[in-house]
Amino acid sequence: EVHLLESGGGLVQPGGSLRLSCAASGFTFDFYAMTWVRQAPGKGLEWVSVISGSGGSIYYSDSVKGRLTISRDNSENTVYLQMSSLRPEDTAVYYCVKVGVGAAAHAFEHWGQGTLVTVAS
Amino acid sequence: QSVLTQPPSASETPGQRVTISCSGSSSNIGSNTVNWYQQVPGTAPKLLIYRNNQRPSGVPDRFSGSKSGTSASLAISGLQSEDEADYYCAAWDDSLTGWVFGVGTKLTVL
Repeated sequence: EVHLLESGGGLVQPGGSLRLSCAASGFTFDFYAMTWVRQAPGKGLEWVSVISGSGGSIYYSDSVKGRLTISRDNSENTVYLQMSSLRPEDTAVYYCVKVGVGAAAHAFEHWGQGTLVTVAS
Repeated sequence: QSVLTQPPSASETPGQRVTISCSGSSSNIGSNTVNWYQQVPGTAPKLLIYRNNQRPSGVPDRFSGSKSGTSASLAISGLQSEDEADYYCAAWDDSLTGWVFGVGTKLTVL
C-alpha cells in the first residue's frame, strides 16, 4: 500500500525558511516523479513543483520559482521541499503527491495527508 | 485566478445526475489529458478520473469523465450524500510547463 507522510510544517515569520519532508513507502520510489501541491486555507488546489524519478528534471510554478527548491533522496525514499524567503501568501497545507506513469501519466495518483505551513509574524 | 474554468458550485438531489464542466485552452486541455480529483472537506484530495475518462480501481462507475477539444466534464449519476465534496479538474499546461487546476466545484447533495 502506498503511504506518503509529510513533516516539517509549522509557523514561520515572513522572510524565513522551512524544509518539508515526505517519506514514501509501498512502491518503487525512484521510478516515479513526485510533486508538491498546496492549498491555502479555504482555497483551491495549486501545483507547486515536480521532480522526476531520477531527480534530473525539475519544474516549478511561477509563484514559487527562485524561493522553493524540490529535491529527493532515492536512497531514503524521501522528497523534500526547501522553502525560503517565505511570504504570507505561502500559507497553505502542502501535500506530497505521487505522479502516475503509463496510462496514468500526469495524474496525481496518491496524496499524503498534508502538512500546514503558516507564514505570519 | 485559475487557468481552468469550473463553476464554483453545483447542486442536485439524491439519485439524480449532475455534470461539472471544465474549460481550458489549447496549451492544456486541448493537448493533454484531463484528470479529476475529489476532496471531501477536511481530507486530502483523491484521484477520481484520469486520462479523461478512466477510473482508478475502487471508484464507482457512477463517476464518468469526457473531453472534447479544450473542454472536459465530469458526470456523477445516482447521486449519493457521500458525493458531497469539492471537485477539481487538472491538466498539464505546455506553455506554463506545469500543472494547472480548476478553481474547484463545490457539490451539494440536497
